[in-house]
Amino acid sequence: DSGVTQTPKHLITATGQRVTLRCSPRSGDLSVYWYQQSLDQGLQFLIQYYNGEERAKGNILERFSAQQFPDLHSELNLSSLELGDSALYFCASSGPSGRETQYFGPGTRLLVL
Amino acid sequence: GEDVEQSLFLSVREGDSSVINCTYTDSSSTYLYWYKQEPGAGLQLLTYIFSNMDMKQDQRLTVLLNKKDKHLSLRIADTQTGDSAIYFCAENFAGNMLTFGGGTRLMVKP
Repeated sequence: DSGVTQTPKHLITATGQRVTLRCSPRSGDLSVYWYQQSLDQGLQFLIQYYNGEERAKGNILERFSAQQFPDLHSELNLSSLELGDSALYFCASSGPSGRETQYFGPGTRLLVL
Repeated sequence: GEDVEQSLFLSVREGDSSVINCTYTDSSSTYLYWYKQEPGAGLQLLTYIFSNMDMKQDQRLTVLLNKKDKHLSLRIADTQTGDSAIYFCAENFAGNMLTFGGGTRLMVKP
């Protein structure tokens, strides 16, 4: 158990819908990262937040957005969902500087029908 | 750019050593990591190596880093069936995001 929690574990929805994925980092970690794992793209970095502020952005679609709240939990919002958004979405967290080793949550498996 | 490459598949017999290889392109990477993913599970951090090291040993795991060739390897001694999983190498780019290889599926035959 890495100490990073993600909910829900599974999500099934329809095209065009919007979903919110939630992540709670390890106690004491200030940085949260979101990654997408799909069969065709592999594991890709989406976005990083550090202590409430966006720090780095990867290949995140405009339909996707994230935020980190004062209690340091983070949410990834996916809207206007397409079939190709079906993937495993991981959250990771790292320590005080935001540059330490990243520990991953169990992931949320999203299926868009 | 930052590309990390791994072979797709490795099959070994139980009790043998496994060596999983990885090449990376970003010479400014500070840390290089190995993660393990079992079916239906998340990414478990196995070990990591700082870029100024050549080798790191942690119980059955040995990581070798050749900076000149940008080559990283993970050796698992006395491989067990429970080691069957997908292994990802990753480099730390720009101090924050991780760039992952495509993963190597390790199959351990009894």
